[in-house]
Amino acid sequence: NAGVTQTPKFRVLKTGQSMTLLCAQDMNHEYMYWYRQDPGMGLRLIHYSVGEGTTAKGEVPDGYNVSRLKKQNFLLGLESAAPSQTSVYFCASSPGQTPTNEKLFFGSGTQLSVL
Amino acid sequence: SQQGEEDPQALSIQEGENATMNCSYKTSINNLQWYRQNSGRGLVHLILIRSNEREKHSGRLRVTLDTSKKSSSLLITASRAADTASYFCATETSYDKVIFGPGTSLSVIP
Repeated sequence: NAGVTQTPKFRVLKTGQSMTLLCAQDMNHEYMYWYRQDPGMGLRLIHYSVGEGTTAKGEVPDGYNVSRLKKQNFLLGLESAAPSQTSVYFCASSPGQTPTNEKLFFGSGTQLSVL
Repeated sequence: SQQGEEDPQALSIQEGENATMNCSYKTSINNLQWYRQNSGRGLVHLILIRSNEREKHSGRLRVTLDTSKKSSSLLITASRAADTASYFCATETSYDKVIFGPGTSLSVIP
């Protein structure tokens, strides 16, 4: 049972390049989240999804797009990378409302550097 | 500004002592969760307390929630060197958002 898997684990981009981060979960979870973590800032919510085909903005959505075409996958896209997007990105999933949301399961993170 | 704020930002204690971390938040919540992150690793869930609960225990962990003060505390009793990590509170707000605070860095000195 792999849990939450993020690919890639490391990536270096040049300013203006685009890329997609993939998050896959095998727990049949309804909810999925993308966070970024910067030193001293904790985790900040970028986008999230409460089910297949749905997405919603978090705290810091600008510069990112997401898609949830399949229940098990949540993709985070950077259309034109900027140095300010250098960060560690974490994906998480949870079962959803039971009656309130349950704990989040996290992936191991993606270290992204934008030069 | 962030929904949750932990206090203190950093805490250093001797092995065997108790560690207390506090979390304050701004808006109404459905539940509050605490997570631990070891250096360079992903986050691990520790405990969840719902908005209608006041106290919860799990092993050496004790969490309290005061919704009138919009605050929570995490107590780790009889700390061990292996407890050295960053600790985050996370609040589930309306629209199913789960928002994290900036965290408390705990160092337990053997």
